[in-house]
Amino acid sequence: NAGVTQTPKFQVLKTGQSMTLQCAQDMNHNSMYWYRQDPGMGLRLIYYSASEGTTDKGEVPNGYNVSRLNKREFSLRLESAAPSQTSVYFCASSEGVWGPSVEKLFFGSGTQLSVL
Amino acid sequence: GIQVEQSPPDLILQEGANSTLRCNFSDSVNNLQWFHQNPWGQLINLFYIPSGTKQNGRLSATTVATERYSLLYISSSQTTDSGVYFCAAGGGATNKLIFGTGTLLAVQP
Repeated sequence: NAGVTQTPKFQVLKTGQSMTLQCAQDMNHNSMYWYRQDPGMGLRLIYYSASEGTTDKGEVPNGYNVSRLNKREFSLRLESAAPSQTSVYFCASSEGVWGPSVEKLFFGSGTQLSVL
Repeated sequence: GIQVEQSPPDLILQEGANSTLRCNFSDSVNNLQWFHQNPWGQLINLFYIPSGTKQNGRLSATTVATERYSLLYISSSQTTDSGVYFCAAGGGATNKLIFGTGTLLAVQP
C-alpha cells in the first residue's frame, strides 16, 4: 500500500504564478486534509474534506482553493502565489467522516514550495 | 479554540537514556494524537490517545483528559528516535485538530 501520495515533492514558483498540489490515498479513507508547516511552528490546517463532495475551511484558508475530485483524490490550488505561501505542504487522510478531529491521521511525504 | 503547548522545546539525549515529553491543552478534547517527524520530514502517527495509556514497543503515552495533559515516554532511546515530536489535540465547538510547536529530540550515539 502506498498510503498517501503527494506530488510534486519540490516546486519553485514566481509571485503571481498558479499551481495545483495533488494528493491521493489508497486506504479508502473518508476524510482528507491539507496542512502547511512553517519553521518553528506546528502544522496548520488549510482546508479539509470530511467526505466526498464536501470541503470546509481550516485555520489558514486565504489564498487557497481545494477540490475533492473523488474519494481518493484531494487537490490544493494556489491561484496567485505569494512569498507568504512559501512552506511545506502536507496532505493527510483519516477514516472518520465527522471532520478533521476524528480518527488517526496519516500523512503524505510533503511538498516543499518556494515562492520567489 | 484549543491551545496546545509542548515541553521541552529541545532535548538532547545519549543513546540508551529515557525521556518524557509533555503536552498541555487548554480545553477538553476528544482527540489527542502524537506524531514523530523524522529528519527527512516524514510524519508518522505514533498514538491516537484521547484518554488512558497505550504502549508500542519502547514508546508509551498517557493522557489524563481531566487534567488536560498528555505524556509521551521514550525508553532506551536510539539515534533513529531523533526528530520532532508533535502533539495534536481536538475537541470543542470546531472539533479541529490543533498542533503544538513540537519537541526537537536529538539522540547522540
